[in-house]
Amino acid sequence: GENVEQHPSTLSVQEGDSAVIKCTYSDSASNYFPWYKQELGKRPQLIIDIRSNVGEKKDQRIAVTLNKTAKHFSLHITETQPEDSAVYFCAASIRIYFGSGTKLNVKP
Amino acid sequence: GAVVSQHPSRVICKSGTSVKIECRSLDFQATTMFWYRQFPKQSLMLMATSNEGSKATYEQGVEKDKFLINHASLTLSTLTVTSAHPEDSSFYICSARGDSSRDSPLHFGNGTRLTVT
Repeated sequence: GENVEQHPSTLSVQEGDSAVIKCTYSDSASNYFPWYKQELGKRPQLIIDIRSNVGEKKDQRIAVTLNKTAKHFSLHITETQPEDSAVYFCAASIRIYFGSGTKLNVKP
Repeated sequence: GAVVSQHPSRVICKSGTSVKIECRSLDFQATTMFWYRQFPKQSLMLMATSNEGSKATYEQGVEKDKFLINHASLTLSTLTVTSAHPEDSSFYICSARGDSSRDSPLHFGNGTRLTVT
């Protein structure tokens, strides 16, 4: 199956700063790349996704970029707020294989 | 729209017993559902892909006789953990796509926390 790697595993930022989480994937046939946010004990929630025919997508403070040639994609959160603190997962491929997750801690 | 309901949310069972977890798509039909397992502070590990009307596709290393999957209708998939042992204690979560296209997002159930004593 697909192999998705995610970095960093933990990220601490000051409120108002930007946060960037990066993922790489192995299967060049993958064409769909969602990002999920999971709060403790809860289900993952889709926050943004991108398809392979697009290089960048933005939704308010959240943006995702995709480089198909290099097989990597990134999540960018600007003006971080304490409520952004959670675990973020990237995913790839048809059956949705997840990265290892990034615990984001936004310090007020 | 695209609500996935999972029951039970928590279950405690004794070692050697079997536990069934249900995953329902409430307002859409799901020909395919996915079952994941998540250990504390770890990622979601895909266990199997549940296909309506046919056998499930298991990921490498997942015992199909241990984790029985049945997808008998377009709105219901079940995962049965047979002869459960303490090492099966985990958070199990199902998901389904809101439509049949391969690049549509997954919608997740609330998960089931299984504790085997």
